[in-house]
Amino acid sequence: AQSVTQLDSQVPVFEEAPVELRCNYSSSVSVYLFWYVQYPNQGLQLLLKYLSGSTLVKGINGFEAEFNKSQTSFHLRKPSVHISDTAEYFCAVSELGNEKLTFGTGTRLTIIP
Amino acid sequence: KAGVTQTPRYLIKTRGQQVTLSCSPISGHRSVSWYQQTPGQGLQFLFEYFSETQRNKGNFPGRFSGRQFSNSRSEMNVSTLELGDSALYLCASSLEGDSYNSPLHFGNGTRLTVT
Repeated sequence: AQSVTQLDSQVPVFEEAPVELRCNYSSSVSVYLFWYVQYPNQGLQLLLKYLSGSTLVKGINGFEAEFNKSQTSFHLRKPSVHISDTAEYFCAVSELGNEKLTFGTGTRLTIIP
Repeated sequence: KAGVTQTPRYLIKTRGQQVTLSCSPISGHRSVSWYQQTPGQGLQFLFEYFSETQRNKGNFPGRFSGRQFSNSRSEMNVSTLELGDSALYLCASSLEGDSYNSPLHFGNGTRLTVT
């Protein structure tokens, strides 16, 4: 069965500093990987996804993530964060042909002015 | 194009009661999935419906059920409510029901409080 581990539950970062949110996954088959963001009192919004091809994936709001098969990781990065990036970020995995998404426990990103 | 719409946004119920939550997917989307989000357990998959058929089911008791109508709208029902059912219930829709072609689009959720 697939699983996702987000190593940090909370990450405080100064405004305009870079950030990396870590995600590791476990699966016995080919996977699709996603990062979602949840702003307060809202649902989840897709940031980016890895389906196949280039391992570096660019998403919305200046975020990018790199798929590393050997390390089973899919870390999310942004070179310079803004106050508006304050939110909870979820890494998720699904397997070929299965709509069920398995989510990590989330990382709360707090931007310090 | 309108997004995924969930109603109501907030619900307060008493233990033992039942509740029905509604989800209208993005126009043209045939797959609807439901998730429960709690601070302790995070996001947990409840079930997925595709063309009116339940195609996937998570590890929740039979008190949790759902259905999908011919227009792809979906409802989720929880019977005999327990305090632990207090959560944000998220609905998500996708075009064809597979992650490769159409990632999930989420609604803003229904926050259920059981007292």
